Amino acid sequence: AQSVTQLDSQVPVFEEAPVELRCNYSSSVSVYLFWYVQYPNQGLQLLLKYLSGSTLVKGINGFEAEFNKSQTSFHLRKPSVHISDTAEYFCAVSWGGSQGNLIFGKGTKLSVKP
Amino acid sequence: EAQVTQNPRYLITVTGKKLTVTCSQNMNHEYMSWYRQDPGLGLRQIYYSMNVEVTDKGDVPEGYKVSRKEKRNFPLILESPSPNQTSLYFCASSSYIQGARDTEAFFGQGTRLTVV
Repeated sequence: AQSVTQLDSQVPVFEEAPVELRCNYSSSVSVYLFWYVQYPNQGLQLLLKYLSGSTLVKGINGFEAEFNKSQTSFHLRKPSVHISDTAEYFCAVSWGGSQGNLIFGKGTKLSVKP
Repeated sequence: EAQVTQNPRYLITVTGKKLTVTCSQNMNHEYMSWYRQDPGLGLRQIYYSMNVEVTDKGDVPEGYKVSRKEKRNFPLILESPSPNQTSLYFCASSSYIQGARDTEAFFGQGTRLTVV
């Protein structure tokens, strides 16, 4: 069975500092990996996705993630965060590629302080 | 504009009073699903539908019903709501093409339900 573990429930960071949000997955089959962002009182928005090919994936708002098959990880990074990046971030996995059947991690709340 | 629309956005109801949360998408997507979001638990899938008249249980289906009579609509029904169904609910839709991988899920704005 597939599962997703987000290792940090909360990550406080100062503005302009780098950040890494960690995500590990387990699956017995090939999976496709996603990061979503949820701003306060909003729905979910796709940040980036890994389907195949280059293991370094670039997304919107300056975020990137690296797929590491041997470590079964898909960590999200940004070299310099802004106040506006304050949100909750969800790692998700699907099999077969269609995002219709997603399994989500429990989320990481990123809090960017001035 | 491509969108998934949920109604209502906020709802307070009493235990046992049947309610329906509507979800509609304008992208002609085959795949629709319902999730609930609870603090510390992330999003968990309740039900999903791969096309009209085809529905299946997700991870937490107890206490919920769905129907898919039309492609664009996927209502979530709580026949006898209980306080443990107080949650934030999201509807999502995506295209489903056999063998295709690059599809994106679109989420509604959410429905915050409180059952007292």
